[in-house]
Amino acid sequence: ETGVTQSPTHLIKTRGQQVTLRCSSQSGHNTVSWYQQALGQGPQFIFQYYREEENGRGNFPPRFSGLQFPNYSSELNVNALELDDSALYLCASSLFATGELFFGEGSRLTVL
Amino acid sequence: KNEVEQSPQNLTAQEGEFITINCSYSVGISALHWLQQHPGGGIVSLFMLSSGKKKHGRLIATINIQEKHSSLHITASHPRDSAVYICAVRRQGAQKLVFGQGTRLTINP
Repeated sequence: ETGVTQSPTHLIKTRGQQVTLRCSSQSGHNTVSWYQQALGQGPQFIFQYYREEENGRGNFPPRFSGLQFPNYSSELNVNALELDDSALYLCASSLFATGELFFGEGSRLTVL
Repeated sequence: KNEVEQSPQNLTAQEGEFITINCSYSVGISALHWLQQHPGGGIVSLFMLSSGKKKHGRLIATINIQEKHSSLHITASHPRDSAVYICAVRRQGAQKLVFGQGTRLTINP
């Protein structure tokens, strides 16, 4: 148990729709990062939030956006879904000062 | 060429064997993570290293900053160690984490 929970665990959307994925960080962690993992691939860094501000972003288009709330929970929003967005989406919380990561179980998104 | 390369990609061994998984990277880093991923997706952080060596139970992780290389060792391997092991590095001065492709380890009883 890492103390990081993600919801929903599984969901199915159709191309062009929008999706919101949620992540509750471990208590006291001020940093959250999001990752996309396609089937059979390693995770890819999407972005990181520290104290409600995005402070790092990977090679993902602007239709991938996020929020971090004052209680350090977080959302990942993806607009105009494409088939290639089908993947496992992982969030990880950490303390900015230490960097040790605590991952959630992931949200598996299927886009039809 | 990927910034983070792991070897081997797949490894099958018998219970009790000593296991080594290697990770090489090509950029300056502030930290290196070893992660374990079981079927179903959840990732567990095993180690975070910036220098030297760390040990936790049967797991040992080492890093050589000058050679840009890290190893994960498992002593007295057990079927429950079967998983994908992933190396990830955080570049110096950046927040982005760059992942290797993972090593799929299978330990047979």
